[in-house]
Amino acid sequence: KAGVTQTPRYLIKTRGQQVTLSCSPISGHRSVSWYQQTPGQGLQFLFEYFSETQRNKGNFPGRFSGRQFSNSRSEMNVSTLELGDSALYLCASSFSSASSYNEQFFGPGTRLTVL
Amino acid sequence: SQQGEEDPQALSIQEGENATMNCSYKTSINNLQWYRQNSGRGLVHLILIRSNEREKHSGRLRVTLDTSKKSSSLLITASRAADTASYFCATDARGGGADGLTFGKGTHLIIQP
Repeated sequence: KAGVTQTPRYLIKTRGQQVTLSCSPISGHRSVSWYQQTPGQGLQFLFEYFSETQRNKGNFPGRFSGRQFSNSRSEMNVSTLELGDSALYLCASSFSSASSYNEQFFGPGTRLTVL
Repeated sequence: SQQGEEDPQALSIQEGENATMNCSYKTSINNLQWYRQNSGRGLVHLILIRSNEREKHSGRLRVTLDTSKKSSSLLITASRAADTASYFCATDARGGGADGLTFGKGTHLIIQP
């Protein structure tokens, strides 16, 4: 079974631009979560989508948004990029239930650098 | 804010020795998970322990959970060079005021050959 894939793997943008990252979950997984990883803050939860609906959201500004398509593929968008948005963005899919998080399968991540 | 905090932040041991990492958290949880991250394989799930479980084993891994102390430990026995990685605990406190899995900042484990 193919793992979680993320595209692109690397991105370089300048301040003020916007970016869209893509994630394809493992076949059959309907839950997709996004995380931001930085050396200073570690791994932080951005949001979770389940059956095309945002089910949970972390403590990030509205510049961070996402969506999920009917085939469970997900995208996240960051508008008006800031230097502090430079990070590794990880996508994870799972058989997550409504009441708890099960084992998360992570993709390789997208390394975003904002200049 | 970080729910789980790992201790120690870094650990260096000789190959063949056992490695123990601890995790403390703040709120009630549904389950606690341990993950490993290295440059080669990304972030990989190791083991999940539910709030009503006290101990779980998987191969060379042993995880304990003490909900009264809000702490967990991960023991890796007979360590190998390939175990060199960062290890994170992640708590699922959905419904308890936290959304998403909340990760600690990790323990960086180095296995010396």
